[in-house]
Amino acid sequence: AQSVTQLDSQVPVFEEAPVELRCNYSSSVSVYLFWYVQYPNQGLQLLLKYLSGSTLVESINGFEAEFNKSQTSFHLRKPSVHISDTAEYFCAVSAITGTASKLTFGTGTRLQVTL
Amino acid sequence: KAGVTQTPRYLIKTRGQQVTLSCSPISGHRSVSWYQQTPGQGLQFLFEYFSETQRNKGNFPGRFSGRQFSNSRSEMNVSTLELGDSALYLCASSRDRVNYGYTFGSGTRLTVV
Repeated sequence: AQSVTQLDSQVPVFEEAPVELRCNYSSSVSVYLFWYVQYPNQGLQLLLKYLSGSTLVESINGFEAEFNKSQTSFHLRKPSVHISDTAEYFCAVSAITGTASKLTFGTGTRLQVTL
Repeated sequence: KAGVTQTPRYLIKTRGQQVTLSCSPISGHRSVSWYQQTPGQGLQFLFEYFSETQRNKGNFPGRFSGRQFSNSRSEMNVSTLELGDSALYLCASSRDRVNYGYTFGSGTRLTVV
């Protein structure tokens, strides 16, 4: 079985400041890793994913995450946040076994960006 | 292209009743998954269907069931509703496996009174 720990339930940050949202996972098998974002009253949107290859993955809106196998981490970073980044962020894993169709989510981190 | 469509968006039901939620995936997507989101338990996997077959199942009681039709549309049913079933139910679709990326719908907000 897999599990995901998001160490911070809330992260307040000022606009244009850098931010890091932490994610650690546990699994006995290799995994795919994901970050999803959820805006109020909406579903989840895929932000970025790590499947294989380069351990640094980037999204189109300036976020990046780095897969660290030895530390079993997949932290999300952005060098300069905007008000519009205020949302809840979920880290998720899926085991690379069988049908690889189930996502296990962390409890989420609420990013609050203020002026 | 159209996204994942879930109907209805909001639903209020009484304890003991049953409810059916609907999900229309993105055209061409054959995998449909369901998740329950609550403040206390977070996001939990219910089940996943692929080409009308249940391919994966989470740890929910038998009151929770689902099915997928030949056009990939999916329904989930909850019988004998309990107060604890109040949640946002999210549907997600994918071409196949999760590595293709799941696209989520906006969800159905179920309130059990």
